[in-house]
Amino acid sequence: NAGVTQTPKFQVLKTGQSMTLQCAQDMNHNSMYWYRQDPGMGLRLIYYSASEGTTDKGEVPNGYNVSRLNKREFSLRLESAAPSQTSVYFCASTSSDSAYNEQFFGPGTRLTVL
Amino acid sequence: SQKIEQNSEALNIQEGKTATLTCNYTNYSPAYLQWYRQDPGRGPVFLLLIRENEKEKRKERLKVTFDTTLKQSLFHITASQPADSATYLCARYSSASKIIFGSGTRLSIRP
Repeated sequence: NAGVTQTPKFQVLKTGQSMTLQCAQDMNHNSMYWYRQDPGMGLRLIYYSASEGTTDKGEVPNGYNVSRLNKREFSLRLESAAPSQTSVYFCASTSSDSAYNEQFFGPGTRLTVL
Repeated sequence: SQKIEQNSEALNIQEGKTATLTCNYTNYSPAYLQWYRQDPGRGPVFLLLIRENEKEKRKERLKVTFDTTLKQSLFHITASQPADSATYLCARYSSASKIIFGSGTRLSIRP
């Protein structure tokens, strides 16, 4: 079991460039999430997908789009990167069958926008 | 707004002492709270969940309390060790699928 995997681990973009962050989980979880983490701000929810075929906005969705490609994969796209999007991005998943509703996190993608 | 707040200042504790971290919530009554540990450069890892009808939950050297009157959860690490040094996050669900995290408290255990 690899758990939650994210690619790439590091990325540097120039303002205006686009890119897609990939996330996959092999735990057969229903729900998947994208967060960004900035110093002093904690984890902020960007988008989430409660189940395959559905996506919803979180706290900070502006400038991002998501695709729940199938039950395993949930990608995050930056169409036109801005310096304010420099952050660490975490993908997470959870099972609706879990008694604890705990989230399992990937290792993160460190993104710098110049 | 429905906030969840943690002390943003770092906590420095002597090895062997009990570390106590605080999580406060306002304007709502969560059915349960979760605690996660995050090491530098890694994603958070789930530690414990405590429900509103539970006063206390224990797991090895960890203890969590939930006081609905004070709107507060306390997270204790007894007999602390340098390996316990990390950032600890408190979290709650705002709906069936969305979770809100506190900003975390960085704990340092000195030998």
